[in-house]
Amino acid sequence: DIQMTQSPSSLSASVGDSVTISCRASQSIYKYLNWYQQKPGKAPKLLIFAASTLQTGVPRRFSGTGFGTDFTLTITSLQPEDFATYYCHQSFSFNDAFGQGTNLAIK
Amino acid sequence: QLQLQQSGPGLVKPSQTLSLTCAISGDSVSSNSAAWNWIRQSPSRGLEWLGRTYYKSKWYNDYAVSVKSRLTIIPDTSKNQFSLQLNSVTPADTAVYYCARRVGSTVGGYWFFDLWGPGTLVTVSS
Repeated sequence: DIQMTQSPSSLSASVGDSVTISCRASQSIYKYLNWYQQKPGKAPKLLIFAASTLQTGVPRRFSGTGFGTDFTLTITSLQPEDFATYYCHQSFSFNDAFGQGTNLAIK
Repeated sequence: QLQLQQSGPGLVKPSQTLSLTCAISGDSVSSNSAAWNWIRQSPSRGLEWLGRTYYKSKWYNDYAVSVKSRLTIIPDTSKNQFSLQLNSVTPADTAVYYCARRVGSTVGGYWFFDLWGPGTLVTVSS
């Protein structure tokens, strides 16, 4: 099975800051990498698919890069509503797998 | 309106069967361009994909190795819904269970979960 490892597991930032979250796959997943945002008590929400394509309606301050095994999610000019947990997800292999999550907290 | 609505009990006894249903609005369980999934989330295991059902000239099911011997996902075209049945549950199966639609991008065919149900907390306890 492909393992997904996110870093950091948590970070704190202030409104207006920029942050970067990393996700590493245990083997190449090409561009089969998606990012989700989850708020407490809610289902995950798709932000980015195919490593870098913004889902319809998602603000442009969210961006994704990467190919193969290493991927990043960047959020610029953090807004209060961005403080949440973020997950990467690989859909390359038969068994979809998620990273363990990165909790973005307000400083 | 495009949405998934979940139903089922929130408490199941050990060794019994956990059954949940996901009703689809705005799409079809028989769609040739979507797969219908169950995913669960717990503090100990994080987000864990469990399985999917999809129709491409005939019905297919895929299951995660971790639950394959205990899991059945059943589509119901008459009610436009799909169900999860997880047998022989233990407290380790306590989690929030989500249904979700998986679709592919128009360019490249990259799969992702774009529509989720609200989640059902299921506790396995006597």
